[in-house]
Amino acid sequence: NAGVMQNPRHLVRRRGQEARLRCSPMKGHSHVYWYRQLPEEGLKFMVYLQKENIIDESGMPKERFSAEFPKEGPSILRIQQVVRGDSAAYFCASSAPGQGGYSNQPQHFGDGTRLSIL
Amino acid sequence: AQSVTQPDIHITVSEGASLELRCNYSYGATPYLFWYVQSPGQGLQLLLKYFSGDTLVQGIKGFEAEFKRSQSSFNLRKPSVHWSDAAEYFCAVGAENYGQNFVFGPGTRLSVLP
Repeated sequence: NAGVMQNPRHLVRRRGQEARLRCSPMKGHSHVYWYRQLPEEGLKFMVYLQKENIIDESGMPKERFSAEFPKEGPSILRIQQVVRGDSAAYFCASSAPGQGGYSNQPQHFGDGTRLSIL
Repeated sequence: AQSVTQPDIHITVSEGASLELRCNYSYGATPYLFWYVQSPGQGLQLLLKYFSGDTLVQGIKGFEAEFKRSQSSFNLRKPSVHWSDAAEYFCAVGAENYGQNFVFGPGTRLSVLP
């Protein structure tokens, strides 16, 4: 009965490198959400995906950030050419499909990936 | 689009005292409301949720919340706080429309004095 699994828990990158964050949703969940949390701040929505589809990416920076949720395997949040400002905790959440709609099922969170940029 | 405010950034209470954390939302239809708790270095854990029905909902760890439509509020309460309740608390509102997302409030940090 595993929950949402994120890895790695901690990731250190130098400026200009790529960061790949992985998220495996809870069993039976087909919706995945990515959030960013800066120190002393709340959660900021980044992207909402279903299998092979990006539903809402309104919170994603226009450059360097991308996300996917393939038919097989975990969801990936990819940050290219990282900069110091990308240092944050990145949380993934998953949910079951909503009943009669969307975003009305509770989201279950992983423990996050803490990204540090040197 | 929906929005959430949590007026209190930081609250300090003594252990054993009662607690109420405020949450106000803005949404045109019936909201789906949630409270989450985040301990340091951890992800968010769902405390309770309101979808419909009884406006007083019970959650885990002795927490409850009351939905008041007339005040657009969903305040979280606990009658007697334990030191282990010190954490960050987030209120969130979901939506019925396709593609809309959870919106989280900015959070309230709870400190508990011994």
